[in-house]
Amino acid sequence: EVQLVESGGGLVQPGGSLRLSCAATGFTVSLNYMNWVRQAPGKGLEWVSIIFIEGSKYYADSVKGRFTISRDNSKNMLYLQMNSLRVEDTAVYYCARDPAAATGALDIWGQGTMVTVSS
Amino acid sequence: QAGLTQPPSVSKDLRQTATLTCTGNSNDVGHQGAAWLQQYQGHPPKLLSFRDNNRPSGISGRFSATRSGNTASLTITELQPEDEADYYCSAWDGSLSAWVFGGGTKLTIL
Repeated sequence: EVQLVESGGGLVQPGGSLRLSCAATGFTVSLNYMNWVRQAPGKGLEWVSIIFIEGSKYYADSVKGRFTISRDNSKNMLYLQMNSLRVEDTAVYYCARDPAAATGALDIWGQGTMVTVSS
Repeated sequence: QAGLTQPPSVSKDLRQTATLTCTGNSNDVGHQGAAWLQQYQGHPPKLLSFRDNNRPSGISGRFSATRSGNTASLTITELQPEDEADYYCSAWDGSLSAWVFGGGTKLTIL
């Protein structure tokens, strides 16, 4: 079964750090464009970051310089290192697959992990 | 990164037809086409259509998508109670190397 499972969310103080993980089953992370998308409580979807198949990385302006996307091909995992967290980073964070050539869409989503930034 | 434009809410009667719209620009919707996602409260989004008018396997034929220029549309026929959800459009912006989303449309079935 093709599946994504996120973990690592929790409560953190402003200025703190957190690392989110996304475990993929049923497909190979390194052969897809992998994304992080977040959704603040009661709000819409906001794209956060993407890692291309060849390794290029791109970020939303709101997280550039603070968040880092990475993957571990041997573990078939995707990560999001979040530093200098702000209250406005509070959201459910989803990892999502983009097969690019196959669909041109975010076709598989995890169930999400909640990140709360509060003092 | 600017987002796509969707109406915040649409209300329709049971068994009627709803058409949701999504407007972008020539770098996103107009260039790469749009995808549509359905989301129920407390659940992750689910892909309904991609590359304008293709449906993943398992998605009902009551959902169909089209595009004209920079505007994409999702039409849902024979509305059912389970269609009440939030609907998001998305598109890849090649000039930004970023995914862009619409603000979402809350569909209410009367």
